[in-house]
Amino acid sequence: DQQVKQNSPSLSVQEGRISILNCDYTNSMFDYFLWYKKYPAEGPTFLISISSIKDKNEDGRFTVFLNKSAKHLSLHIVPSQPGDSAVYFCAASALGGSQGNLIFGKGTKLSVKP
Amino acid sequence: DGGITQSPKYLFRKEGQNVTLSCEQNLNHDAMYWYRQDPGQGLRLIYYSQIVNDFQKGDIAEGYSVSREKKESFPLTVTSAQKNPTAFYLCASSWATGLAGANVLTFGAGSRLTVL
Repeated sequence: DQQVKQNSPSLSVQEGRISILNCDYTNSMFDYFLWYKKYPAEGPTFLISISSIKDKNEDGRFTVFLNKSAKHLSLHIVPSQPGDSAVYFCAASALGGSQGNLIFGKGTKLSVKP
Repeated sequence: DGGITQSPKYLFRKEGQNVTLSCEQNLNHDAMYWYRQDPGQGLRLIYYSQIVNDFQKGDIAEGYSVSREKKESFPLTVTSAQKNPTAFYLCASSWATGLAGANVLTFGAGSRLTVL
């Protein structure tokens, strides 16, 4: 049973517009969430994270929103750029971010068209 | 530059053969991990190690073995017991479990294993 779900396998967005990637989780013990970005044939790179004590975290063009009651988080990229085209993985962990055993979703492939 | 080096990048294996994937890090991280990625799937944890000479099974450890004799190194052996070994294998490291930021994993570039 998937504990972290990314229900959209792909997303296509025009350059300059907003990209919204969604992620749902089922395990109420999760209290720390991360987004990773992955290019083909490369390892994932850390993008942004959020603790369950917050509902928003912002870093430049990237903002993550957390809705604990709905067990839902989303990653907003504004404005989207062609270089943002990649697979984005949502990941979750328990124990306040002190545990490195992450549970990953299946990923969403973002395509940003010029 | 600090980072994680995985080798080889591509590897072909005949059925019934064991193969070992190398992972070396110079980040001085305490914890190391092996994940597997299949097409259309997320990353699944195979094994992890929080300290030298100690490691734990992840969600899909069957058919795999690891060792952690040095802090910098965490090799993964894919044995003939692994029923479907063709996949992209990712090694990662982080600060020790229990410390803030321990879940921000740094990944290597991956090794693609193909069984012929």
